[in-house]
Amino acid sequence: EPEVTQTPSHQVTQMGQEVILRCVPISNHLYFYWYRQILGQKVEFLVSFYNNEISEKSEIFDDQFSVERPDGSNFTLKIRSTKLEDSAMYFCASSEKGGRLGYGYTFGSGTRLTVV
Amino acid sequence: GENVEQHPSTLSVQEGDSAVIKCTYSDSASNYFPWYKQELGKRPQLIIDIRSNVGEKKDQRIAVTLNKTAKHFSLHITETQPEDSAVYFCAAHTGKLIFGQGTTLQVKP
Repeated sequence: EPEVTQTPSHQVTQMGQEVILRCVPISNHLYFYWYRQILGQKVEFLVSFYNNEISEKSEIFDDQFSVERPDGSNFTLKIRSTKLEDSAMYFCASSEKGGRLGYGYTFGSGTRLTVV
Repeated sequence: GENVEQHPSTLSVQEGDSAVIKCTYSDSASNYFPWYKQELGKRPQLIIDIRSNVGEKKDQRIAVTLNKTAKHFSLHITETQPEDSAVYFCAAHTGKLIFGQGTTLQVKP
């Protein structure tokens, strides 16, 4: 079964540093997402990406965050000047028919980001 | 903005009993309602979903019902087993998934 691959699985970074979280979506999927989950809390939407541009972003996704699809396979989330409160599990997801229809999401296994 | 409310936050049942988790959503344009099971430190795993043109769906011991008028949907697990113990999240989709707060289900042997 096709998978969404995320690297690294765990990232520890100093406060103020920049991190890049990487994701390889399923190859025929067109819609890409980042979600985050602070420990013990619900999964929160960050951003959706389609046709090489951001479709929608949440209030959480401020100027500190950016996304990029640098080539045909990778989808990255960059967090500039990390803060303690950025510590969370970050999930990438992709969908063949997302956006309008919604179904067919596949989540990656996540990157646990710890800011110290 | 869109909001999904989920109840209860914790649920403890005896093995073999049924468990029901309820969610309400705010955006009437929501068109897809998945349920996820999440074990500690793992990704959310889709267990069942329902689209807005369907009122009920069943898959073995798991069923979901949707009431579009009331903007309410529920997960029903029958004949619960200890391995059903996990955190369950509902979600509603309108361009992206909005998750409920989660229900920690404990099935006691």
